[in-house]
Amino acid sequence: GENVEQHPSTLSVQEGDSAVIKCTYSDSASNYFPWYKQELGKRPQLIIDIRSNVGEKKDQRIAVTLNKTAKHFSLHITETQPEDSAVYFCAASRGRGGGADGLTFGKGTHLIIQP
Amino acid sequence: ETGVTQSPTHLIKTRGQQVTLRCSSQSGHNTVSWYQQALGQGPQFIFQYYREEENGRGNFPPRFSGLQFPNYSSELNVNALELDDSALYLCASTFGGTDTQYFGPGTRLTVL
Repeated sequence: GENVEQHPSTLSVQEGDSAVIKCTYSDSASNYFPWYKQELGKRPQLIIDIRSNVGEKKDQRIAVTLNKTAKHFSLHITETQPEDSAVYFCAASRGRGGGADGLTFGKGTHLIIQP
Repeated sequence: ETGVTQSPTHLIKTRGQQVTLRCSSQSGHNTVSWYQQALGQGPQFIFQYYREEENGRGNFPPRFSGLQFPNYSSELNVNALELDDSALYLCASTFGGTDTQYFGPGTRLTVL
């Protein structure tokens, strides 16, 4: 089955700086890569996603890049703000609606924004 | 919010008991997936239902079972509870043939 590795496990950046979180996946059939933000005690919230036919996607301060050949994808957050502090999860899946395998998640990155 | 609700919020059971967790999603969300999230870990896929049929399962034993109903609600049943079943259980629904999974707030299960 799919295996998703995520790094780093903890990332501390100064407010206003950029943050980058990286993930690798093992299943070349995976074609959908969402990123979720989870604040303490709350549900995972989708912040951005990308499909395998696209190399990069941007939404305001957040961007995701995908390298299918190397099987890795990254989350970029620019001009970080205190409210960006949370745990971020990358995930991968095949097919629509998660496919028969569901989403495979990384172990998460605890992003800390220092004032 | 996502329109996905779960009940109960918290639950305490003892080892060997059985539990039923519930999830309700929006009209048209005909795929529902269930995940187990242990403390400090990412969610792990349990299984997925599409139009009331199970159409995918992760690495979980048969004592984890589910049901999906025509009114876009679903259940996760766990028999013979073990201490390691203590976790946050999340359901996620998907509209039609799209990819985005919308998560509910979860049920925190504690097994003593």
